Amino acid sequence: LAKTTQPISMDSYEGQEVNITCSHNNIATNDYITWYQQFPSQGPRFIIQGYKTKVTNEVASLFIPADRKSSTLSLPRVSLSDTAVYYCLVGDEGNYGQNFVFGPGTRLSVLP
Amino acid sequence: DTEVTQTPKHLVMGMTNKKSLKCEQHMGHRAMYWYKQKAKKPPELMFVYSYEKLSINESVPSRFSPECPNSSLLNLHLHALQPEDSALYLCASSRDDREGEKLFFGSGTQLSVL
Repeated sequence: LAKTTQPISMDSYEGQEVNITCSHNNIATNDYITWYQQFPSQGPRFIIQGYKTKVTNEVASLFIPADRKSSTLSLPRVSLSDTAVYYCLVGDEGNYGQNFVFGPGTRLSVLP
Repeated sequence: DTEVTQTPKHLVMGMTNKKSLKCEQHMGHRAMYWYKQKAKKPPELMFVYSYEKLSINESVPSRFSPECPNSSLLNLHLHALQPEDSALYLCASSRDDREGEKLFFGSGTQLSVL
């Protein structure tokens, strides 16, 4: 089982900043935190990954507090095309330490 | 080339048919994955291949049979499927299966079982 909790859905308006928080209370010392974006009828696409503190790329920022029990994906100035499902992955608490088990994700709707 | 290519994009099959899904990548990745995704649900891990050997089988029914002929190719052989097996089947790859490796996904095969 994935060991993450995210809001099921969020609404935003174009041009706003969107922050999606993921809880991972049982994150292991060597776990990375990885976020993927998925559009309907397509495979998930890597957005950003971090281990601690803050990571920024051309698409998003990822904020990770010192205790690493949560992380926040920040999407600046969203547009309609950012409407998608966003998944937060950490290492699986079952047999694997690797982060390739998906949790339920957050369905983001961007409104005009 | 950063693509994972899946064929066919769509497949309709009867419960007595045998078909195969194909996945190909030329990124030199040594881990490949099969996922199943039902509508409005997250991708569900089925199989993981690491260096062409099956490393993870998530208790998938035997009517799904994976095959990794070489490091670039991954097949999923389907036989005697049930209507509830209708779903989007996604293939992914990563450099290897260690912690922190990011996954590259194909666009999937939309499978309908009649």
